[in-house]
Amino acid sequence: SQQGEEDPQALSIQEGENATMNCSYKTSINNLQWYRQNSGRGLVHLILIRSNEREKHSGRLRVTLDTSKKSSSLLITASRAADTASYFCATDEHNAGNMLTFGGGTRLMVKP
Amino acid sequence: DTAVSQTPKYLVTQMGNDKSIKCEQNLGHDTMYWYKQDSKKFLKIMFSYNNKELIINETVPNRFSPKSPDKAHLNLHINSLELGDSAVYFCASSLLGEQYFGPGTRLTVT
Repeated sequence: SQQGEEDPQALSIQEGENATMNCSYKTSINNLQWYRQNSGRGLVHLILIRSNEREKHSGRLRVTLDTSKKSSSLLITASRAADTASYFCATDEHNAGNMLTFGGGTRLMVKP
Repeated sequence: DTAVSQTPKYLVTQMGNDKSIKCEQNLGHDTMYWYKQDSKKFLKIMFSYNNKELIINETVPNRFSPKSPDKAHLNLHINSLELGDSAVYFCASSLLGEQYFGPGTRLTVT
């Protein structure tokens, strides 16, 4: 089963609105990462948050991590049509040899 | 400059054949990976390779084997291809946690 489960599976918003995606996981982690995948392309790393961090920002991205609830959220503020993509969370688990476990992804569509 | 490259981009082949996908990274990273992404977009780690240490996801059939001629390359060999092997295969590399992905190879087995 998927270590990271993402919610929602699909999200459609208007340009300028904020988009929030959630990720839950099951085991202890070293860090949690968010990636973006445009259709037909490879994944692009967005942000990494370590297990001892609670919040991190990068431009219009804000990531939170709650290790007690084993959950994370990705917020994209002031969305743009170019943000349309699939977003994946990935966990770097303890004793996993740096192998990431990916969630099922959230397909975000931002309408102009 | 391309950071992680894969060839070929598309691969169509028949069941039972043996094929290889090549991956190269010019980032100087120590660890390379292979992932499989199925039609539902689920991404599954297959292998992690670091300085000759290979970590295998136990769910990967032994028809799949990674081969690393040097630190910058990790090729994926697949023997006796099956219909269920059809997917997009991604190579990636990392140094300090975040991973850099190649553009993917779409494998179609007919």
